[in-house]
Amino acid sequence: EIVMTQSPATLSVSPGERATLSCRASQSVSSNLVWYQQKPGQAPRLLIYGASTRATGVPARFSGSGSGTEFTLTISSLQSEDFAVYYCQQYNDRPPWTFGQGTKVEIK
Amino acid sequence: EVQLVESGGGLVKPGRSLRLSCTTSGFTFGDFAMSWFRQAPGRGLEWVSFIRSKAYGETSEYAASVKGRFTLSRDDSKSIAYLQMNGLKTDDTAVYYCTRGYRRGDYWGQGILVTVSS
Repeated sequence: EIVMTQSPATLSVSPGERATLSCRASQSVSSNLVWYQQKPGQAPRLLIYGASTRATGVPARFSGSGSGTEFTLTISSLQSEDFAVYYCQQYNDRPPWTFGQGTKVEIK
Repeated sequence: EVQLVESGGGLVKPGRSLRLSCTTSGFTFGDFAMSWFRQAPGRGLEWVSFIRSKAYGETSEYAASVKGRFTLSRDDSKSIAYLQMNGLKTDDTAVYYCTRGYRRGDYWGQGILVTVSS
């Protein structure tokens, strides 16, 4: 099973600032990685798939990069609605698909 | 508009069974694989299972934690996916989400709570 590790666990950021979230895989997942955003009491929302492709309707301030074992989600200028928990998930080759433990982005 | 609505959750005793339904609309159900994920209270997300479309044999895959106890099926005529959960354990307590697709969830239901407790 591929283990996904996200860092940091919590990120304190002021509105308007840049946020950089990291996700590391225990072995290469190529570009088979997605990022989700989850707000309290809500279902996750797909943000990025294929490591760097924004899902439909996702603002351009969200960008994903990386391949292999190292991935990054960048939010260029945090808006109030972006404070949430972010998860990465790999879907490389064969299941099980696995998630990172999440990064909580909170208001500084 | 794509919609997925889970139902069938609730409180159940350990060892008992429960069947979740995922009723969908807004897309051609038969063309897509369907998946289930879950989230234990205060915890992260976990993939549970997916079922491929009929074109790919309607085969299914399961997480090790549920294999042999959970069965995912689909009724393309009704646009519904079913998750039959047998031999439930307290560790199965979670919000269960159905999603469209099998690698990633591009559309998610609102989730349904399953509580396994004596």
